[in-house]
Amino acid sequence: DTGVSQNPRHKITKRGQNVTFRCDPISEHNRLYWYRQTLGQGPEFLTYFQNEAQLEKSRLLSDRFSAERPKGSFSTLEIQRTEQGDSAMYLCASSFTSGDEQYFGPGTRLTVT
Amino acid sequence: AQSVTQLDSQVPVFEEAPVELRCNYSSSVSVYLFWYVQYPNQGLQLLLKYLSGSTLVKGINGFEAEFNKSQTSFHLRKPSVHISDTAEYFCAVSVSGAGKSTFGDGTTLTVKP
Repeated sequence: DTGVSQNPRHKITKRGQNVTFRCDPISEHNRLYWYRQTLGQGPEFLTYFQNEAQLEKSRLLSDRFSAERPKGSFSTLEIQRTEQGDSAMYLCASSFTSGDEQYFGPGTRLTVT
Repeated sequence: AQSVTQLDSQVPVFEEAPVELRCNYSSSVSVYLFWYVQYPNQGLQLLLKYLSGSTLVKGINGFEAEFNKSQTSFHLRKPSVHISDTAEYFCAVSVSGAGKSTFGDGTTLTVKP
């Protein structure tokens, strides 16, 4: 078990470009979560999957954001037409079920210039 | 909706002194409660969790927390801190049976020699 991994660790992009992040959860975990963390704040929930089904999306998640978990394993988070306000750390976590510990990855730091 | 308030944004303390990091939550339904620690440039790591049962929960690295339903609090304590405890600490709540966690804005614990 190598834990939750995220790629890339850092991404710098120009405003208006599209970016895609990948998360590989712990292999036995059914649930996968995406959070966004900005400086001085705690993680904010974006969306989560149980297996391949996306069960909840935050109202924070605009139409420019889309997430997938096509085979119930890894997940991707895509941001289209990035804006400077999208600059943040994007965290992925996984767990067995609700109430269980969420195991977090190291995050992907996005900087939009 | 649930909310979490961490009452202190920064807590400086001398090595070997006791520390308490305060967390209050708001929810109209049963919740699970968590404390996570985040070291610089790393992901979040679970310190301890309360799901049910005994209100005093012991975690890793000598930390413990007490669930107080009447005061809707879940304060984190350690009787004697070390330099290595310097980190950001997050309190989180999730609704029983649901997926996402709601985090507080964090408390920066700085342990001085």
